[in-house]
Amino acid sequence: AQKITQTQPGMFVQEKEAVTLDCTYDTSDQSYGLFWYKQPSSGEMIFLIYQGSYDEQNATEGRYSLNFQKARKSANLVISASQLGDSAMYFCAMREDSIIQGAQKLVFGQGTRLTINP
Amino acid sequence: DGGITQSPKYLFRKEGQNVTLSCEQNLNHDAMYWYRQDPGQGLRLIYYSQIVNDFQKGDIAEGYSVSREKKESFPLTVTSAQKNPTAFYLCASSMGRANQPQHFGDGTRLSIL
Repeated sequence: AQKITQTQPGMFVQEKEAVTLDCTYDTSDQSYGLFWYKQPSSGEMIFLIYQGSYDEQNATEGRYSLNFQKARKSANLVISASQLGDSAMYFCAMREDSIIQGAQKLVFGQGTRLTINP
Repeated sequence: DGGITQSPKYLFRKEGQNVTLSCEQNLNHDAMYWYRQDPGQGLRLIYYSQIVNDFQKGDIAEGYSVSREKKESFPLTVTSAQKNPTAFYLCASSMGRANQPQHFGDGTRLSIL
């Protein structure tokens, strides 16, 4: 069963607008973590933001924020004031806590391709 | 600068040939990982290693092998048993703490000749 679902294969947004990228997850663990990564066309994966399941506040990192709704099992990424350089693939990933100590097994979604139009 | 170096950037494999992808990190991270990415898809875990001389299979380990003889290095061998090796391969490392992200290299793109 798919554990991370990103329902938007592609999104097109005007520059300077805010954009929300959806991510829903499925887990029976009480302790887990959610990560968002950006992948430009060059291929490298860039870490954006992290949310732990016990974190009481929604995570924020500069223009990135995470809308974490635990009961709905969703962890949507919000990018404020989008820029042309934000055009990339965006991946949501979940850390499963049934792990060997010290190593994280991440499960990735299929990704959303975001295009920022001038 | 600290980071993860993957080489080569592009690699071509002939039928029946084993090829090895290099991954070196100078971040002093304990844990290292190999992922495969197919076009338009997310990443899938091939192998991961928590410490030197120890590694575990991920979700798609068949046709691949790894070694971890040094903390800094985690090479991946794509064997001839992997019938569909064409993909983008990403190496990552992490401190092994729950809230710390994995850091990725720039990837190796493997194609069949």
